[in-house]
Parts: sequence; C-alpha cells; structure tokens
Amino acid sequence: DSGVTQTPKHLITATGQRVTLRCSPRSGDLSVYWYQQSLDQGLQFLIQYYNGEERAKGNILERFSAQQFPDLHSELNLSSLELGDSALYFCASSDHRGLFGYTFGSGTRLTVV
Amino acid sequence: AQTVTQSQPEMSVQEAETVTLSCTYDTSENNYYLFWYKQPPSRQMILVIRQEAYKQQNATENRFSVNFQKAAKSFSLKISDSQLGDTAMYFCAFSHSGNTGKLIFGQGTTLQVKP
Repeated sequence: DSGVTQTPKHLITATGQRVTLRCSPRSGDLSVYWYQQSLDQGLQFLIQYYNGEERAKGNILERFSAQQFPDLHSELNLSSLELGDSALYFCASSDHRGLFGYTFGSGTRLTVV
Repeated sequence: AQTVTQSQPEMSVQEAETVTLSCTYDTSENNYYLFWYKQPPSRQMILVIRQEAYKQQNATENRFSVNFQKAAKSFSLKISDSQLGDTAMYFCAFSHSGNTGKLIFGQGTTLQVKP
C-alpha cells in the first residue's frame, strides 16, 4: 500500500456518460496530481492541486475537471466520455514541491464502450 | 518547454546480467531533478531512483545506479544483477526545481528479464 488511495479500481461506462474518480493523498501530502496513461503510452500530466487550489494545468480536456477538497482528497470528473478516453488514470501525491518524487496510487482503469 | 526522450522502446536482458536504459532531456534550467520510475505488470508506479542536478555524484540504490551527464543532458539507468522481478516498463522523468513539482515523463522503455 503506497498510501495513496484511488477508487474505483475499474470502471466501465458508455460513451456520453460522466464519471468521477476519487483520490486520497498520502498522509501529510498537500499536492495532488492527476495523470492519464493510454494503452502502452507514457503518462500525460492533467492537473495539479496544492492545498485546495489549482497549481498547474496540463493537457486536460475541457470535458474534464478536477477539484481538491478541504480534507485534501481530490476528484477528477470526466464528462461526455468518448472511446478515446479509455485509459489508466493515476493520482499521485507529494510534499509541497514534489522534489523527492511522487507517491502514486494504483490507478483507475476506465473503459468507455 | 522541457522534454524527456527515451529512445529504446523495448529491451531485454538475461537474468543476472547488467542492462542500461537511456534517457535524454531538454531544458534551459540549471536546477532540476531527475527520476526513474518502474511500472511492473501490476501497473503500480514505483520510484526507483532520484538525482539532483546540482549533485555531481551519481545516485545509487542497491542494484540500481544512474549515469548523470549534465552537459550532455543524459540520465541513464543501470540495473546490475538483473532479476526476473525487474521486468517492467521504466520511465524517466524530469522536474524543474522552481516548478510546481510537475513531473514530465518520457515514453518509457519496456524491459524484459529472461531466465
């Protein structure tokens, strides 16, 4: 157990639907990052939150949004889902600047059918 | 913009032998951090090793070591005495020290350790 908890582990949904992925960071970490990994691809940075505020944004689609709550857990909302959104979505957490690396969750496997 | 390139999509090595995975990066910054992550078939991302750019000494973690060449912007990973459990995808990653902490990943190298 890495200390970062992601739920659910697997999700199958239809095109056009909306889903919410949840992440609880490791105890003491204030930064949460979301990454998307398509099949056999590298990790694409989506968005970062630090202590409830958006800190950095990557190639995140307008159909996607995220937030970090006062208890520091984060949610990634994916709407109007398309087949191409099928991927492994990782949440990671770190201290303030992540200079010692991230701790990753085990990911949520999203399949859009 | 910073980029990370891993030019070897796939590699294989015999058990107990040594293998080196290559990584190059592009940045105009002077202070930054480099990482190698391992992703086994379970898909869990595991930090293998970390290097601070301002340190000339190459980082070492047990059987894993790096060859950090700052001028060449090269950061290779050497795995000694390869074990079957080393079979995984390996990602090189970069983070600028003045940044938010965002990690930029390479495309990965799939390593197969053969018995």
